[in-house]
Amino acid sequence: ETGVTQTPRHLVMGMTNKKSLKCEQHLGHNAMYWYKQSAKKPLELMFVYSLEERVENNSVPSRFSPECPNSSHLFLHLHTLQPEDSALYLCASSQGAGSSGNTIYFGEGSWLTVV
Amino acid sequence: GQQLNQSPQSMFIQEGEDVSMNCTSSSIFNTWLWYKQDPGEGPVLLIALYKAGELTSNGRLTAQFGITRKDSFLNISASIPSDVGIYFCAGRGNAGNMLTFGGGTRLMVKP
Repeated sequence: ETGVTQTPRHLVMGMTNKKSLKCEQHLGHNAMYWYKQSAKKPLELMFVYSLEERVENNSVPSRFSPECPNSSHLFLHLHTLQPEDSALYLCASSQGAGSSGNTIYFGEGSWLTVV
Repeated sequence: GQQLNQSPQSMFIQEGEDVSMNCTSSSIFNTWLWYKQDPGEGPVLLIALYKAGELTSNGRLTAQFGITRKDSFLNISASIPSDVGIYFCAGRGNAGNMLTFGGGTRLMVKP
């Protein structure tokens, strides 16, 4: 139990589907993140929310749409994805975004396969 | 932007051997973190370092924040089969910057 819970753990979707990934953190943190992990690539930061406001969007295509309704929950809405979007999507949280000395904690990830 | 070079990319060792891996950055970092990722799971924090020269242990794992602030090392002593996984370093420079991750070191341990 890492304190950051992601659902679903596995998702297979067609290119025309709409689905969402959900993340919940139980650590009392005020910053949440979405990362993408593809084979043989470093972790890629996608979005950062601090105090429920998006503070970073790393040139992510609009077919990925994040939502942070409160400091404990983070969603990633998926629409008209491409097969190359298949990857492990990791949610993470921390106390403070980008603060020197803070540490981020990851969820177990959601494996996404786009067919 | 900040870049991290992590090496080696992979290691195949015999159970009982010691392991050493490192990360170097193109700029000064104020925080170094080491994570381990088991197959099919998210990365789990192993050790966090916040001060140049700091040496911190977690069981058989020891990590050091290089005095130049541009590198960090992780050592695993007396490896066991459950040490198998991918080890990631991560670092942050100035406050306000996001973490930068290394490419990972894939460790395989032969019983």
